Amino acid sequence: EAQVTQNPRYLITVTGKKLTVTCSQNMNHEYMSWYRQDPGLGLRQIYYSMNVEVTDKGDVPEGYKVSRKEKRNFPLILESPSPNQTSLYFCASSSSGTVPGNEQFFGPGTRLTVL
Amino acid sequence: GNSVTQMEGPVTLSEEAFLTINCTYTATGYPSLFWYVQYPGEGLQLLLKATKADDKGSNKGFEATYRKETTSFHLEKGSVQVSDSAVYFCALVNQAGTALIFGKGTTLSVSS
Repeated sequence: EAQVTQNPRYLITVTGKKLTVTCSQNMNHEYMSWYRQDPGLGLRQIYYSMNVEVTDKGDVPEGYKVSRKEKRNFPLILESPSPNQTSLYFCASSSSGTVPGNEQFFGPGTRLTVL
Repeated sequence: GNSVTQMEGPVTLSEEAFLTINCTYTATGYPSLFWYVQYPGEGLQLLLKATKADDKGSNKGFEATYRKETTSFHLEKGSVQVSDSAVYFCALVNQAGTALIFGKGTTLSVSS
């Protein structure tokens, strides 16, 4: 089954404790991206990767890092989480981010709470 | 830059009622437009899309037409079901083609 998987689905942590949210897709997609969803704000892009050689910041990258060592995986790293990073996080992938009309496939989401 | 505005919710309807969720956009050129749906506890799923002006996207009884004159992409369904209860997001691609820009989402609640 074609899918984007994320782990963990739920995480409660404390301020300053490094964490990684994993994202993996089995569709051989070039493009991957991370979004955060907050009430009243919709989804906002954190980072994206056009392919394994190109990774860049989205609209809200502060406090996050990403890594794209292989095509299928795109982990999101919070080196020192803070309470304002409490949010619902979605990973997405598509065959190409720039092709008109190209659909992005979303993972199930990771609900992160930082105390 | 490109942006999307969609109607605030929640929208509460009875089963078989007609649904309209308004979406307007601001964009350079004519980017592809999308409606995504998020069911409770799940990720976003593409509902329908339109890639050029006057295109009509349709799926599962939902329709939306890409109107460049009014810069709109309103979502409609003639007869909603309880199972349509979800959050609906209008979206378009940013100018660089590197991200989807989403509206804030509209919560639809359908009762029997």
